[in-house]
Amino acid sequence: AQSVTQLDSQVPVFEEAPVELRCNYSSSVSVYLFWYVQYPNQGLQLLLKYLSGSTLVKGINGFEAEFNKSQTSFHLRKPSVHISDTAEYFCAVTRNTGNQFYFGTGTSLTVIP
Amino acid sequence: KAGVTQTPRYLIKTRGQQVTLSCSPISGHRSVSWYQQTPGQGLQFLFEYFSETQRNKGNFPGRFSGRQFSNSRSEMNVSTLELGDSALYLCASSLAVGQLNTEAFFGQGTRLTVV
Repeated sequence: AQSVTQLDSQVPVFEEAPVELRCNYSSSVSVYLFWYVQYPNQGLQLLLKYLSGSTLVKGINGFEAEFNKSQTSFHLRKPSVHISDTAEYFCAVTRNTGNQFYFGTGTSLTVIP
Repeated sequence: KAGVTQTPRYLIKTRGQQVTLSCSPISGHRSVSWYQQTPGQGLQFLFEYFSETQRNKGNFPGRFSGRQFSNSRSEMNVSTLELGDSALYLCASSLAVGQLNTEAFFGQGTRLTVV
């Protein structure tokens, strides 16, 4: 079975400061890793994904994440956050058998002006 | 192209009633999956359909059911509603199943409130 742990439920950060949102996963098989963002009253939007290849993945809006197999982590980073980055961020895993995603509990990022 | 469309956006029902939610995937997408999002339980997988067949099912009671039509549109039904069924129900569509680079696109969700 797969599970995802997002270590921080809330992360406040000042505008233009760097941020890291942590995600750890556990799985007995190879998985694919994703980060989604959710704005209030909206669905989920894909930020980035790791399927294979380079462990450093770049996504939209200046976000990037690094897949670390030995530490079973997939932390999300942004060097300089903007007010518009305030949202809920979800880490997710799936096997290559369909769209059955296992989501973490989410991290609420608040960017302070 | 149009994204994933979920209707209605908001719904209020009474305990004991039943409800049907609709999801129209992106044109050409054949896989549709449903998720329940609540503050307490987070995002939980309900079920997934591909080519009108249910492929996977999450750990939900039999009151939750779904189907997919030949045009890939999907509906989910919840019977005998309980207060705890109040949630945001999200639908996701993707091009195919079991292929690398398959990306799931989510709709805006249906907010169901049971009173």
